[in-house]
Amino acid sequence: ETGVTQTPRHLVMGMTNKKSLKCEQHLGHNAMYWYKQSAKKPLELMFVYSLEERVENNSVPSRFSPECPNSSHLFLHLHTLQPEDSALYLCASSQESLFVAHSNEKLFFGSGTQLSVL
Amino acid sequence: TQLLEQSPQFLSIQEGENLTVYCNSSSVFSSLQWYRQEPGEGPVLLVTVVTGGEVKKLKRLTFQFGDARKDSSLHITAAQTGDTGLYLCALNQGGKLIFGQGTELSVKP
Repeated sequence: ETGVTQTPRHLVMGMTNKKSLKCEQHLGHNAMYWYKQSAKKPLELMFVYSLEERVENNSVPSRFSPECPNSSHLFLHLHTLQPEDSALYLCASSQESLFVAHSNEKLFFGSGTQLSVL
Repeated sequence: TQLLEQSPQFLSIQEGENLTVYCNSSSVFSSLQWYRQEPGEGPVLLVTVVTGGEVKKLKRLTFQFGDARKDSSLHITAAQTGDTGLYLCALNQGGKLIFGQGTELSVKP
């Protein structure tokens, strides 16, 4: 257990569906992240939230919409996705944002949501 | 953007063998993290190396940070099936944790 819980673990959706991924951290951390992991590609940072404010949007298409209602919860709202969006979506948290903290801040990851877009 | 290159991309060995995987960059970095990701799970931090020439040991795993701070290696002694997974190196670049592509290790009984 890493203290970061993601639901659902698996999701299959059509291109016209709307769905949401949920992440919850029980570590009292102040920063949360969404990463995308595709086959044979490095993890790609999508969004960073620090103290519930978005501090980074890494050129992610608008069909991905993050929401951070409080420092413990992070959502990723999905709509009109494409098949190439199929991937493992990982949530992570850290005590402080990498922007303000010592560069050795470490990330705690959830188990991910395996998303398939048909 | 600083690129982290990991090698080899895939490694399949028998239980009991030793192995080394590498992480290289064209630029100097102040510190480097190593993560392991087991199938069906997210990455878990193994170690952070911060000083050029540093060597850190974690049971059968030995991590080394190059003197020039542009490369790092992970050596596993007497690999076990439980070592199977994706080994990732990562560095903080401008507030973003950037990952290498990883080395996928398979240890067969």
